[in-house]
Amino acid sequence: NAGVMQNPRHLVRRRGQEARLRCSPMKGHSHVYWYRQLPEEGLKFMVYLQKENIIDESGMPKERFSAEFPKEGPSILRIQQVVRGDSAAYFCASSPGSPNYGYTFGSGTRLTVV
Amino acid sequence: QQQVKQSPQSLIVQKGGISIINCAYENTAFDYFPWYQQFPGKGPALLIAIRPDVSEKKEGRFTISFNKSAKQFSLHIMDSQPGDSATYFCAARYRNDYKLSFGAGTTVTVRA
Repeated sequence: NAGVMQNPRHLVRRRGQEARLRCSPMKGHSHVYWYRQLPEEGLKFMVYLQKENIIDESGMPKERFSAEFPKEGPSILRIQQVVRGDSAAYFCASSPGSPNYGYTFGSGTRLTVV
Repeated sequence: QQQVKQSPQSLIVQKGGISIINCAYENTAFDYFPWYQQFPGKGPALLIAIRPDVSEKKEGRFTISFNKSAKQFSLHIMDSQPGDSATYFCAARYRNDYKLSFGAGTTVTVRA
């Protein structure tokens, strides 16, 4: 069991470029959650997805950010036209079903915008 | 705003000592309080969790103390070891919800 797999581990983008972060949940998990960790801060909820559905995106910035979890393949968090303030660690977590189950987090993608 | 306030921001403890991290919350609708441990370059891993109907929970060297009336909870690491050096996050979740509200984290350094 490989756990929650995130890639890339580190991503450097210039201002204005696009960033794509990928997350493969644990085997058997169909619920995915994305969190962002800014320097010196705790994790902040961004979005909750099930296969082909966005359940709750209340933590997503209104512009430039989008997420998907297609029927086949990993969940993708996409940030368009990145700015310096997007530099953070982005963590994905998954759970097997009901939201009351505990999360398992991946190791994260560290995004640096230069 | 920060729904869960965590202190201290960092602490240093000698090997064998006790590390104590405190968290406070305002919203009484929270009903699940986990602690996560995060090593550099890794994601947070669930360490121990408690519900508000219990005042204390112990797992090995890790103990959560919960004070419902004060809306505070704390993590005690007994007999701290260098391998415990990590960042610890408290968190809270509403009943039947899936979102966790995290504290800002405490970096614990255990000196040999």
